[in-house]
Amino acid sequence: KQEVTQIPAALSVPEGENLVLNCSFTDSAIYNLQWFRQDPGKGLTSLLLIQSSQREQTSGRLNASLDKSSGRSTLYIAASQPGDSATYLCAVINVSGSARQLTFGSGTQLTVLP
Amino acid sequence: DADVTQTPRNRITKTGKRIMLECSQTKGHDRMYWYRQDPGLGLQLIYYSFDVKDINKGEISDGYSVSRQAQAKFSLSLESAIPNQTALYFCATSDDGTNQPQHFGDGTRLSIL
Repeated sequence: KQEVTQIPAALSVPEGENLVLNCSFTDSAIYNLQWFRQDPGKGLTSLLLIQSSQREQTSGRLNASLDKSSGRSTLYIAASQPGDSATYLCAVINVSGSARQLTFGSGTQLTVLP
Repeated sequence: DADVTQTPRNRITKTGKRIMLECSQTKGHDRMYWYRQDPGLGLQLIYYSFDVKDINKGEISDGYSVSRQAQAKFSLSLESAIPNQTALYFCATSDDGTNQPQHFGDGTRLSIL
């Protein structure tokens, strides 16, 4: 069974810092990996989707990398801002099984201090 | 995401009651999903539907049922609610294809007393 782990569970940084969030998964047979942002009282917003054949995706100040063979992904946030404060979740879609379902990590709660 | 609307946003009810959570979408997606989220945990898939005639169980379907009334509507029912079903429930949609991102509603906070 696929397991997705995110470390650390919480992170606090001063404004302006560059930071990296980590995601690891146990089964490397995946179709893709998605990074989401969750704000309090809100649903999830898809940030980046990396297909299994890709190494990275970029959107603005965000860059996500994928190393499928080692079961790792990182989300890099450049020049962090207080508005980046949220919980960040990663999720994978597995090749095995009939269900094209997302398996989620438990998230990293990010606080960017002004 | 205003394109995926969940009702109600909050609900408090008693053990044994039947509850229905509704989800509607204006994105024109065929695929719809129901998840629950418990504090400090990721989301777990309850049920999913790839089109109007397709219903599939997810990881944690026991105690839940769903109905796909139309392409745009997917409802989740708790036939006899119990306290450990207290959670945040999310509906999501996606276009066809494995590499399509999922789009989420704002969630329903459900408390079972």
